[in-house]
Amino acid sequence: EAGVVQSPRYKIIEKKQPVAFWCNPISGHNTLYWYLQNLGQGPELLIRYENEEAVDDSQLPKDRFSAERLKGVDSTLKIQPAELGDSAVYLCASSLDVSSYNEQFFGPGTRLTVL
Amino acid sequence: KQEVTQIPAALSVPEGENLVLNCSFTDSAIYNLQWFRQDPGKGLTSLLLIQSSQREQTSGRLNASLDKSSGRSTLYIAASQPGDSATYLCAVTQGQGFSFIFGKGTRLLVKP
Repeated sequence: EAGVVQSPRYKIIEKKQPVAFWCNPISGHNTLYWYLQNLGQGPELLIRYENEEAVDDSQLPKDRFSAERLKGVDSTLKIQPAELGDSAVYLCASSLDVSSYNEQFFGPGTRLTVL
Repeated sequence: KQEVTQIPAALSVPEGENLVLNCSFTDSAIYNLQWFRQDPGKGLTSLLLIQSSQREQTSGRLNASLDKSSGRSTLYIAASQPGDSATYLCAVTQGQGFSFIFGKGTRLLVKP
């Protein structure tokens, strides 16, 4: 069974440029998470989807960040415009449903460098 | 607000030693707790998930325990190997409709 797929793995951009990250969760997983991880820190939730609905986006900086999960499968996270402080690893995770007690499975992440 | 703390921040041990990693959380009303491993430059790999009604989970050389009342979990690694070198993170969630809160992790180095 394929795991969570993310692309690109690495991205280097100049500040004020836009950037987008893509995530394909494990097949059948209803819940999808986007996390931000700074060096030496644990992941911090940006947004959580239950199917197509964003049920927790309280930590998403909505002035520059946006996300979508069309058809409740793949998801895209966008930053526009990027700032120097956005340099971090962006992780996507998915989980099945109540029966799995929300066990999360993570993708490899996208390492973003903003110059 | 739930906060998760992991102690120690870093640990270096010789190969073969048994070791314990600690995770504490401020709000004992959790739904589950999950331990992860993260290798440098990689995503997180799920190790063990403990439901709120459980006291421990075991997988191979790993054993995780949960004491909700005291707000603590431990990850026990038996007979450590150099391949166990990684950062270990714990995360808790307070309910089916809640998101996970992570600790900062413990960086483990097992020396040959």
